[in-house]
Amino acid sequence: DAGVTQSPTHLIKTRGQQVTLRCSPKSGHDTVSWYQQALGQGPQFIFQYYEEEERQRGNFPDRFSGHQFPNYSSELNVNALWLGDSALYLCASNLATAGSAYEQYFGPGTRLTVT
Amino acid sequence: DQQVKQNSPSLSVQEGRISILNCDYTNSMFDYFLWYKKYPAEGPTFLISISSIKDKNEDGRFTVFLNKSAKHLSLHIVPSQPGDSAVYFCAASAQYGGNQFYFGTGTSLTVIP
Repeated sequence: DAGVTQSPTHLIKTRGQQVTLRCSPKSGHDTVSWYQQALGQGPQFIFQYYEEEERQRGNFPDRFSGHQFPNYSSELNVNALWLGDSALYLCASNLATAGSAYEQYFGPGTRLTVT
Repeated sequence: DQQVKQNSPSLSVQEGRISILNCDYTNSMFDYFLWYKKYPAEGPTFLISISSIKDKNEDGRFTVFLNKSAKHLSLHIVPSQPGDSAVYFCAASAQYGGNQFYFGTGTSLTVIP
């Protein structure tokens, strides 16, 4: 049973560029959340997707956008990259039913470096 | 505004002794709390949770205590093992069924053999 997978593992981009990160949820999960973890910080919630719609959003600018596909996989897009966007981007999945909603399973993350 | 705080960046404990990791929160609407464990180059792994209707939850060597009046929770690991060495994050959610989690900054636990 595959867990949450993310690609790519590492990415280097230049300031002003755009980036797309990908996530496949754990088998059987239908909800995907994205987090940004800066060095020395805890994960910060970006947004969550369920039934191909953005259900909740954290305090992140519109440069951060996402998408969820019918197979529940998801993409995170960041436009006009800033140096401050350098971080580990984590994807988490869960099944949106009572009792399991809080047990989010995380992927290993994508390390984004903006130069 | 950091709504979940872990004020100890690191903790060292001898193998076999108790490890106590602390977490404070400011939002009185938080009603569900979780602890995650993170090894280098891996994503956080769910460890244990507690809802606000309880003050204690136990799972093997891991026990989480919740003090709602003090807005404080703690994770006890007894006995500590070298494999427990990792970064531990506490997280909180403000709505049962809601899925936005607020994470602390983490505590790096080292268990010395």
